[in-house]
Amino acid sequence: LAKTTQPISMDSYEGQEVNITCSHNNIATNDYITWYQQFPSQGPRFIIQGYKTKVTNEVASLFIPADRKSSTLSLPRVSLSDTAVYYCLVGRSYGQNFVFGPGTRLSVLP
Amino acid sequence: DTGVSQDPRHKITKRGQNVTFRCDPISEHNRLYWYRQTLGQGPEFLTYFQNEAQLEKSRLLSDRFSAERPKGSFSTLEIQRTEQGDSAMYLCASRGPGFQETQYFGPGTRLLVL
Repeated sequence: LAKTTQPISMDSYEGQEVNITCSHNNIATNDYITWYQQFPSQGPRFIIQGYKTKVTNEVASLFIPADRKSSTLSLPRVSLSDTAVYYCLVGRSYGQNFVFGPGTRLSVLP
Repeated sequence: DTGVSQDPRHKITKRGQNVTFRCDPISEHNRLYWYRQTLGQGPEFLTYFQNEAQLEKSRLLSDRFSAERPKGSFSTLEIQRTEQGDSAMYLCASRGPGFQETQYFGPGTRLLVL
């Protein structure tokens, strides 16, 4: 299973765009990249998933370069309620478990 | 609400007691996962079911832990002779049969072993 590396923490202010980059140098051909958000005392919540190039939904965008060795989660115009831990995961979508790292703790300040 | 429910949400027990947690996945999801999460860490995989078959178990899952998924619907996770180190959040996730399906997590059961 591919290992991921992401910053332990980030600070931002309300209204700013936040970009969280994740490195996954050993990503395999069949691996997808998935991001989850987790608030305290809750289960992780799916944000976005992609395989290559760019994926956008109503919550975020995911940018994946051609070599797929990294990915960037982009949160537009964050609010205080976006304060959470964000996990980058790499794995086969049809496969078994995900391996979670410690995630990135995002703090949005007023 | 993801559609995955877990019961109970909180459990306090004394060391040495047995506890059982239940997970009800999204109804059409044939894959079910259990994770454990301690404070400040990401979730750690424990075990995985496809329908009623337990296909994978982590080395973290000691002999005191057992999981079942009768009839491929709800699942239970039992911890026998609990230890203080078992205190954690136990998360359940379910996943549909499709190729590009993601995991949907329940709210978790927080266990405190005194």
